[in-house]
Amino acid sequence: DAKTTQPPSMDCAEGRAANLPCNHSTISGNEYVYWYRQIHSQGPQYIIHGLKNNETNEMASLIITEDRKSSTLILPHATLRDTAVYYCIVRITGNQFYFGTGTSLTVIP
Amino acid sequence: ETGVTQSPTHLIKTRGQQVTLRCSSQSGHNTVSWYQQALGQGPQFIFQYYREEENGRGNFPPRFSGLQFPNYSSELNVNALELDDSALYLCASSLPLSRANTQYFGPGTRLTVL
Repeated sequence: DAKTTQPPSMDCAEGRAANLPCNHSTISGNEYVYWYRQIHSQGPQYIIHGLKNNETNEMASLIITEDRKSSTLILPHATLRDTAVYYCIVRITGNQFYFGTGTSLTVIP
Repeated sequence: ETGVTQSPTHLIKTRGQQVTLRCSSQSGHNTVSWYQQALGQGPQFIFQYYREEENGRGNFPPRFSGLQFPNYSSELNVNALELDDSALYLCASSLPLSRANTQYFGPGTRLTVL
């Protein structure tokens, strides 16, 4: 089953880029990688997703390695409001998505 | 705001009771998934409904059941509540499953079982 591995916690200085890694070595060739974040036990918020090309939107950039076994979410200029738990998600089978325990990012003033 | 709403916001029940949680999906979305999130853990997939039929289920016992209505809203029912059922229950709506299937989450219902 495709699953993800993320560091449990990271710190980032305000205004600097936050780079959050994710390992998904068993991902299937046609499966997307999704990133969500969750603030204070609110509902998870969609950030970005990608298949094999790098992706960028107004929130973040997603860099996926050529072998697709890992990816990095980049928040280019972290703010205090970016403090949250970040989940890298892949589909296990059918409709079931695996969240894991995520990375708790703390942005430091 | 995702347009996904859940009710109630908080709920307290006692062990052995039954509970019904509700979810209204984002406009145009006909697929609803339910997740359980225990404290300090990531969300765990319970099941998904598509066009009023269960369309995938995670590792949860049969006392977790659901419904989807013609307007695509959904209910999660839990019978014979146990203390370990205390969690944040999340629903997420999406378009029909495709390769890129972005799910949009509601704010969740916090269930406490005493």
